[in-house]
Amino acid sequence: TQLLEQSPQFLSIQEGENLTVYCNSSSVFSSLQWYRQEPGEGPVLLVTVVTGGEVKKLKRLTFQFGDARKDSSLHITAAQPGDTGLYLCAANNFNKFYFGSGTKLNVKP
Amino acid sequence: DAGVIQSPRHEVTEMGQEVTLRCKPISGHDYLFWYRQTMMRGLELLIYFNNNVPIDDSGMPEDRFSAKMPNASFSTLKIQPSEPRDSAVYFCASSFLLVPKGVDYGYTFGSGTRLTVV
Repeated sequence: TQLLEQSPQFLSIQEGENLTVYCNSSSVFSSLQWYRQEPGEGPVLLVTVVTGGEVKKLKRLTFQFGDARKDSSLHITAAQPGDTGLYLCAANNFNKFYFGSGTKLNVKP
Repeated sequence: DAGVIQSPRHEVTEMGQEVTLRCKPISGHDYLFWYRQTMMRGLELLIYFNNNVPIDDSGMPEDRFSAKMPNASFSTLKIQPSEPRDSAVYFCASSFLLVPKGVDYGYTFGSGTRLTVV
């Protein structure tokens, strides 16, 4: 059982569509990170959220941390083929580190 | 900086052989992490170091796995003897901080070593 559950596992959409991926847990975290991983490479950190209810924007990507700091969402507006990759959430709790299993996104031109 | 450098990129070995994976962290980063990624289990933290000292090795699967950091610019992960179930992509990451505070203060991952044990 994963401590961080991500959904959906797979998502295939057309260029220009909007999408949201989720990261859920029953545990409370002091901070949560989102990464993007491309094939053959390591994950690259996109954002860290630390405050319940916090919203951060990175160009077309919007990240939200749940009020109770147990969950998070990533929304992509007008997806582009360059957004294709594996999106991972990660969180720490008492210096223990956990990664979700990821959402594999494919954006078709 | 060239980023976190891992070698080799690919390793194919026979069951029972010793495997050594290498990592050069970013200069000045105090923390070094070893992760393993598989389809079934995702990314798992194996061990991390702070200032070359192992802090938490609770993720190391069994005694066949060992990790060292003899100096601030080099770490190894050794598997002896290797088994087919060790096949995975092994990542090294380094950071200024234990917990990421943002993109500029987060983990930088290497490109990984894909290990196949036959």
